[in-house]
Amino acid sequence: GQNIDQPTEMTATEGAIVQINCTYQTSGFNGLFWYQQHAGEAPTFLSYNVLDGLEEKGRFSSFLSRSKGYSYLLLKELQMKDSASYLCAVRDAGNNRKLIWGLGTSLAVNP
Amino acid sequence: DTGVSQDPRHKITKRGQNVTFRCDPISEHNRLYWYRQTLGQGPEFLTYFQNEAQLEKSRLLSDRFSAERPKGSFSTLEIQRTEQGDSAMYLCASSLSSEPYEQYFGPGTRLTVT
Repeated sequence: GQNIDQPTEMTATEGAIVQINCTYQTSGFNGLFWYQQHAGEAPTFLSYNVLDGLEEKGRFSSFLSRSKGYSYLLLKELQMKDSASYLCAVRDAGNNRKLIWGLGTSLAVNP
Repeated sequence: DTGVSQDPRHKITKRGQNVTFRCDPISEHNRLYWYRQTLGQGPEFLTYFQNEAQLEKSRLLSDRFSAERPKGSFSTLEIQRTEQGDSAMYLCASSLSSEPYEQYFGPGTRLTVT
């Protein structure tokens, strides 16, 4: 079966660092995406990993270990505007390139 | 603005009525996806198109749901005989058919069935 697990909620303090974990068990794998979604808005793309290792993009970094079925999103120098849901999605290995979505992690950044 | 657009942004309808939503993808994107999302959940895949061909439809989708993309550009999603359980945010996304197939989302259509 297809399964993606993320923590439901996390809380962090402005200026701090937070790591959001994602584990997956899917029949195929062809890349992992992280999206940010503010309440009432559509998801927006943050990062993409297809090979093992760390991808850094400004304050956000994403890590992938394919052998462990594990990824994390690292947010540095947290700002209040980072309060949002963070969605992990795995791309199917089939021709349809369909994304399999986690339920999302709701991050609250407190002053 | 050259992003994905959806219309309407909000729709309130009575149970049993039919509704139709429209999605205009990014112009050079040939893949188009429809998702449904309820509060506290991730997007739930409904269907996707490559150009005008509907290549996959979720088994979760009842036959009350139909989608078209007649000329390979905009797409419509129709729900017939709406039920209260259809209340959700309907998201459209588009992508190129090349790596990394990154999907860009529209603002969504929020459907409320009363």
